Amino acid sequence: KAGVTQTPRYLIKTRGQQVTLSCSPISGHRSVSWYQQTPGQGLQFLFEYFSETQRNKGNFPGRFSGRQFSNSRSEMNVSTLELGDSALYLCASSLEGGRGSGNTGELFFGEGSRLTVL
Amino acid sequence: GEDVEQSLFLSVREGDSSVINCTYTDSSSTYLYWYKQEPGAGLQLLTYIFSNMDMKQDQRLTVLLNKKDKHLSLRIADTQTGDSAIYFCAESRDRDDKIIFGKGTRLHILP
Repeated sequence: KAGVTQTPRYLIKTRGQQVTLSCSPISGHRSVSWYQQTPGQGLQFLFEYFSETQRNKGNFPGRFSGRQFSNSRSEMNVSTLELGDSALYLCASSLEGGRGSGNTGELFFGEGSRLTVL
Repeated sequence: GEDVEQSLFLSVREGDSSVINCTYTDSSSTYLYWYKQEPGAGLQLLTYIFSNMDMKQDQRLTVLLNKKDKHLSLRIADTQTGDSAIYFCAESRDRDDKIIFGKGTRLHILP
C-alpha cells in the first residue's frame, strides 16, 4: 500500500508570492491533516479535512487555506508569503472507522514539503 | 487551551534506558501518543495509550501515564544508536479531534 505522498518535496519562493502544496493520502483514508514544522515552534496544527469539509482548524491567519477533493487528495495554499512561513509542511492521513471500531486516530505522515521563502 | 510540553534534548549512553517526559494541559485528553521522527522523514507512530490506562508496554517501550498530574513518559530500554531521533508527545480529546503535538525531544545516543 502506498504511503502519504506530498509534492513538491522542496520549493523556494520569494516574499509576496503564493504557494500550493499537494497531498495524496493513503488509499482508503478520508481524513487529511496539515502541520507546519519549524525548529522554534515544533509541530503546529494548521487544519484537518474530512469528506471535503474542514473539520478542525488551528490558529493560523487566513493566508493559510486548504481544500480536499472527492478522492480525498488535499491541497494547502499560502498566499502573500512571509519569511516566517519558511518551514517543513507535513501532511498526514488517517483512517475513519466510527466509534468503537478500535481506530485510535493514528496519523500517517508524508515526508513533507520544505518551503523556503527568500 | 491545549498545550503539550517536553524537554528539547536528551543524551543517553548506548545500552542505558532513555526516559522522555511530557506534560499536557487538557484534562479532556483521551488519546496520548508518542511519535518518532528520523532525519529527513515524516513522523511515525511509536505507541499510544488511552487515558483510562496507567501503563502500556510494547517490547523495549514502556509508556507511563499519570492522569492526575497530566504527565506522560516514554521509556526506551537498552537504547541503541538506531533510536537516535526526535520524539514527539501528542494528545487529542477523541479520535476525530485534532492531534496536538509537543515541540519534540531530540534523543542523542552517546557511544
